[in-house]
Amino acid sequence: GAVVSQHPSWVICKSGTSVKIECRSLDFQATTMFWYRQFPKQSLMLMATSNEGSKATYEQGVEKDKFLINHASLTLSTLTVTSAHPEDSSFYICSARDTREGLENEQFFGPGTRLTVL
Amino acid sequence: GQNIDQPTEMTATEGAIVQINCTYQTSGFNGLFWYQQHAGEAPTFLSYNVLDGLEEKGRFSSFLSRSKGYSYLLLKELQMKDSASYLCAAIDSNYQLIWGAGTKLIIKP
Repeated sequence: GAVVSQHPSWVICKSGTSVKIECRSLDFQATTMFWYRQFPKQSLMLMATSNEGSKATYEQGVEKDKFLINHASLTLSTLTVTSAHPEDSSFYICSARDTREGLENEQFFGPGTRLTVL
Repeated sequence: GQNIDQPTEMTATEGAIVQINCTYQTSGFNGLFWYQQHAGEAPTFLSYNVLDGLEEKGRFSSFLSRSKGYSYLLLKELQMKDSASYLCAAIDSNYQLIWGAGTKLIIKP
């Protein structure tokens, strides 16, 4: 168990358009999901922490109006990149924290979504 | 501030043993992860240590010393497929992951 999926796997879009990325925990409930961004040859950078039923907590320097996060259920969080620009091209990865006892400290990662903005 | 240090790159020979070190400074500590990441893919979980000592899992072992703020990942009987980046990440008092920049491991035949 503990599988996290992301959709789409990769997306190419024109500058100025919006892109929605879905993150789903397939076989467990996740009260908390995390969104990361990774630029080439760099470490993962946490963008925001998403808690089910409440507003996301954004890291310093991440524009909450540009990166809209919705965590409407215990198995789904979405990240919408609004008015995407070429500098937003990156690898976006989500992870989910399992609510089950004993697994609270473990994060399960999705496969990532590669976004290319032309 | 919070900081994770690990070497940028290491090279080892197929069949050999390699140790990747990680030192951390965090606000509180709730454990340390090691992840493996192949190029273009999401990280995959390797180990989690919260108590001092060595945890062995097949060819991979992870060690933690909380008093020294130090961990290492030990890879034995190296295989070519072990060529990847290895990320060290510590959990702080808010249960946030603080990531290292990763160590790129190059395996040579």
